Amino acid sequence: DAGVTQSPTHLIKTRGQQVTLRCSPKSGHDTVSWYQQALGQGPQFIFQYYEEEERQRGNFPDRFSGHQFPNYSSELNVNALLLGDSALYLCASSDRFGYGYTFGSGTRLTVV
Amino acid sequence: AQSVTQPDIHITVSEGASLELRCNYSYGATPYLFWYVQSPGQGLQLLLKYFSGDTLVQGIKGFEAEFKRSQSSFNLRKPSVHWSDAAEYFCAVASNRDDKIIFGKGTRLHILP
Repeated sequence: DAGVTQSPTHLIKTRGQQVTLRCSPKSGHDTVSWYQQALGQGPQFIFQYYEEEERQRGNFPDRFSGHQFPNYSSELNVNALLLGDSALYLCASSDRFGYGYTFGSGTRLTVV
Repeated sequence: AQSVTQPDIHITVSEGASLELRCNYSYGATPYLFWYVQSPGQGLQLLLKYFSGDTLVQGIKGFEAEFKRSQSSFNLRKPSVHWSDAAEYFCAVASNRDDKIIFGKGTRLHILP
C-alpha cells in the first residue's frame, strides 16, 4: 500500500521564480494538508484541501496557493519566491473515518 | 489559540537507559494529542495519539505517553532506548479530527553507545 508520495524530492529555484510541488495521498485518503518545515523548526500548517476546496488556511501569504484534483492529489504553488521560503515542504493525507495524518517524505526547496 | 511547548531542544541518553521527552500544550478543551518522530531528511512518522479514554497511550517502537489534564502535559516515555531511536521528536495538538495540527519545535534525541 503506497503511502503519501511527493515530487520532486529536491528543488533549487532562484528568488522571484515560481514553484509547484506535488502530492499524491495515501490510497483511501481524501484530505490533503501542506506544511512548511524550516530548518530546526517544527512543521507549520499552510492549508488543507478537501473535496477540491481549501478548507483551512494557516498564517501564510497569498503567494502560497494550492489545488486539489478529483483524484485527491494536490499541488502547492509558491509565487515570487523569497530566500525565506527555503524549507522542507511536507504533504499529509487523512480520511474522514479516523484521525491520523500520514506524512510524505517531503520536498526540500532551496531558494538562491 | 493552541500551542505546544517542548522545553528540551536536545536530550542525550545512553543506550539502554530510560527516556522521557516533555510536552506541554495550551488548549481550552480536550485536545487531540500526537507524538511524531522524524529521522534526518525524512518525513514524519506517527508514534502514538490520544483522543479520549485511557490517559496512558501505547505506541509503536515501544513508546508510550501519558495525558495529564491537570498539568496540560503529554510526555513521551520509553523504558530502554536503542541507538536507532536517535531522531527528532515532535509533540503536536489539534482541536478535532479534521483540524490542522500544531507542532512543537521538536526535541533532538542523541544516543550514547
